[in-house]
Amino acid sequence: GAVVSQHPSRVICKSGTSVKIECRSLDFQATTMFWYRQFPKQSLMLMATSNEGSKATYEQGVEKDKFLINHASLTLSTLTVTSAHPEDSSFYICSAQTGGNSGNTIYFGEGSWLTVV
Amino acid sequence: AQSVTQLDSHVSVSEGTPVLLRCNYSSSYSPSLFWYVQHPNKGLQLLLKYTSAATLVKGINGFEAEFKKSETSFHLTKPSAHMSDAAEYFCVVKGDYKLSFGAGTTVTVRA
Repeated sequence: GAVVSQHPSRVICKSGTSVKIECRSLDFQATTMFWYRQFPKQSLMLMATSNEGSKATYEQGVEKDKFLINHASLTLSTLTVTSAHPEDSSFYICSAQTGGNSGNTIYFGEGSWLTVV
Repeated sequence: AQSVTQLDSHVSVSEGTPVLLRCNYSSSYSPSLFWYVQHPNKGLQLLLKYTSAATLVKGINGFEAEFKKSETSFHLTKPSAHMSDAAEYFCVVKGDYKLSFGAGTTVTVRA
């Protein structure tokens, strides 16, 4: 079946630095990818919708200058947390949407734990 | 507009007994509906999906769900729970292009 890969699965960075998380669709092309944030024991919060070749669409309250999203190809989207602070520590999950005969199913990556110290 | 309500925040069952996770939705579009499972510290795995074909959908690991338009429900069931089913389950609706998530149901399985 379709697979979405996220890297790194865990990352620790110092406060003030930037960290990049990659999301790849391994066996299908994804014109649309989504980035979510999940706080402990809570549901997923959509941060932004990433469209290949165009600017990402951010949800209300999400700082686009802090959470930079790039969707450079049909199989890769990246989320860069700039000038990270401890409150940015969270579980970040991406998803990618298939098309065609599979009926626009959305598959999720394994998630990336970010800890800012 | 669309929304999802998972009626139970926590379900506890004994191993070998049936599991029922309830989900109600609202959508302005003809929705696609999904159930995902999330094990601790992991991403979400697709269990099954409804996309306007058969109303009874069979998924992986023995799960199935029935789409009932009149009740705007998409409840998830499994006839016999296994210890490995202990996880968080999310009901998800897709209307136009965005997903709306339920708050999640935590399933615990007693030996």
